[in-house]
Amino acid sequence: QVQLVQSGAEVKKPGSSVKVSCKASGGTFGSYGISWVRQAPGQGLEWMGEIIPIFGTANYAQNFQGRVTITTDESTSTSYMELSSLRSEDTAVYYCARQEVADALDIWGQGTMVTVSS
Amino acid sequence: DIQMTQSPSSLSASVGDRVTITCRASQSISSFLNWYQQKLGKAPNLLIYAASSLQSGVPPRFSGNGSGTDFTLTISSLQPEDFATYYCQKSNSIPHTFGQGTNLEIK
Repeated sequence: QVQLVQSGAEVKKPGSSVKVSCKASGGTFGSYGISWVRQAPGQGLEWMGEIIPIFGTANYAQNFQGRVTITTDESTSTSYMELSSLRSEDTAVYYCARQEVADALDIWGQGTMVTVSS
Repeated sequence: DIQMTQSPSSLSASVGDRVTITCRASQSISSFLNWYQQKLGKAPNLLIYAASSLQSGVPPRFSGNGSGTDFTLTISSLQPEDFATYYCQKSNSIPHTFGQGTNLEIK
């Protein structure tokens, strides 16, 4: 059974960038897409974007256009989410998740806490 | 963008109760509606996909219904482990927006 293992917690300064990784353990991405979702403290889930590894194409939510880049390295079955121009409101737990039937998110990473603070 | 609105935002219920959570889309999304459960400090867990299909390993007391703009998640007989926050999500088109969540609490 595939698991998604994310990189560790990050503390960043406002204006900087963060890159979070998500590695498929026990398998590969195959033909599945990968979504990235974030959750600010005490808040709901916010969909950021997706990538379809076999096509290499990424789609982003309007709220993040121009600031987020999602990529994959198929040789290592790893997806990356890079968010730039960080501000305090970007403090959140960032999740990757596999898109399965009907693009439902059936396998999730453990989450990566990103704290933006001066 | 299509907006997803859940109701209620919070709900108090007792073990054994039947509860229903509603999710409404601002435009038709056919049956591209998914439901997740999230417990404090944990990643979400997929319960229902494509409006009414039960995810493997999810107890049959969970069921989903609806199409177009109106959807429901029903828990037929609440168990202690069901007290959590529930989210709907559309997946027909980009962005795959989530509802704001429904916090299910013990009465």
